[in-house]
Amino acid sequence: EVQLVESGGGLVQPGGSLILSCAASGFIFSDYWIHWVRHSPGKGLEWVSRINLDGTDRRCADSVKGRLTISRDNAENTVYLQMNSLRVEDTAVYYCTRAVGGGDVPGRFDPWGQGTLVTVSS
Amino acid sequence: DIQMTQSPSSLSASVGDTVTISCRASQYVSRNLNWYQHKPGKAPKLLIYAASTLKSGAPSRFRGSGSGTDFTLTISNLQPEDFATYYCQQSYSTPPDTFGQGTRLEIK
Repeated sequence: EVQLVESGGGLVQPGGSLILSCAASGFIFSDYWIHWVRHSPGKGLEWVSRINLDGTDRRCADSVKGRLTISRDNAENTVYLQMNSLRVEDTAVYYCTRAVGGGDVPGRFDPWGQGTLVTVSS
Repeated sequence: DIQMTQSPSSLSASVGDTVTISCRASQYVSRNLNWYQHKPGKAPKLLIYAASTLKSGAPSRFRGSGSGTDFTLTISNLQPEDFATYYCQQSYSTPPDTFGQGTRLEIK
């Protein structure tokens, strides 16, 4: 079964740091790009960041640029999201998801993990 | 960046009804348009990709259509488990992979 499991969320003060993990199983991890998407009740789903197969191409949303960094360890089948200088507006459930397709085949996200909650509050 | 706009933002319907959700892209996205279902406390689920291809295992009462900038998700014969929030997402010009703001489907 293809599965993604996030961990590492919690309560952190503004300006603090956190590292999220996304552990993958059931597929050849190094064959897929992985993305982080977050959900906050007032904002819906918001794309956060993505990483390519070997970690050499990493992109993130303007809203988190310079503060959140994605990385991956293909030996451990895990993607990480290093979160620094956290703001109240970063409060959300963070999901990791696998990108399927691409190129001539339209890309989509499937499956998604169950999410991990990050709360930024004093 | 491509902006995605869904309408309506919320919708009330009854079991057995047919509902339609619209999604408009600010620029051409070809057929690179996906639909997801999201229930509270659960992982989002892919329903339809490439505008009209039903994901294997998804119920056939879900139908997607459109191309270019205008897309539609139609749900026929609504079932109790269909009440959720639905999002469209473009994968034509990325990053960012932009989502619509969501359409909340509620029981009337």
